[in-house]
Amino acid sequence: EVQLVQSGAEVKKPGESLKISCKGSGYSFTSYWIGWVRQMPGKGLEWMGIMYPGDSKTRYSPSFQGQVTMSVDKSIRTAYLQWSSLKAPDTAMYYCARLLYYDGSGLPGFDIWGQGTMVTVSS
Amino acid sequence: QSALTQPPSASGSPGQSVTISCTGTSSDVGGYNYVSWYQHHPGKAPKLMIYDVSKRPSGVPDRFSGSKSGNTASLTVSGLQAEDEADYYCSSYAGSNTAVFGGGTQLTVL
Repeated sequence: EVQLVQSGAEVKKPGESLKISCKGSGYSFTSYWIGWVRQMPGKGLEWMGIMYPGDSKTRYSPSFQGQVTMSVDKSIRTAYLQWSSLKAPDTAMYYCARLLYYDGSGLPGFDIWGQGTMVTVSS
Repeated sequence: QSALTQPPSASGSPGQSVTISCTGTSSDVGGYNYVSWYQHHPGKAPKLMIYDVSKRPSGVPDRFSGSKSGNTASLTVSGLQAEDEADYYCSSYAGSNTAVFGGGTQLTVL
């Protein structure tokens, strides 16, 4: 079964660092781009960025560039999203998702999604 | 990049059809044939319903269809069923290997 399994919920204080994970299985992990999507409480989905596990290439949405860092450890088929200094507005559900395909002309959408990781930032 | 514009809500009775619009610009929806639609039930992961404007992933009922005209894409759900009640989000390629989502539409089956 093709799936992405994310790490568990986190509760952090402002200023703390955090790294959440997304482990892929059931497919060639290094052949598909992985993306991250934020959903703040009561709000809609926001496209954060994508990373190619094969060579660690990344593309960030301008809104998230410099705010988060995507990385990958392909030896354990795991993608990461990290913050160096969390803020209260980072409180949200974060989803990882697999890009359906990549042809160099555009981005078709995410076909496999993780279950989400809830991040709460509160003093 | 600005979020694509969707109506906040839509509704229909069982068996009816409903269409949800998604308006962008020539820099996203109008410029590329990479529009996707997601169904999101609260507490669950989003599900891809349409990609490349009008293609359905395997397993998605053919009651769901997508189209595009100019800067506006549309998702039509025919033969509404109770389980179709969910939030629906459109997304479009926006150039430079980035994408953008719409604000979401809450679909209610009356």
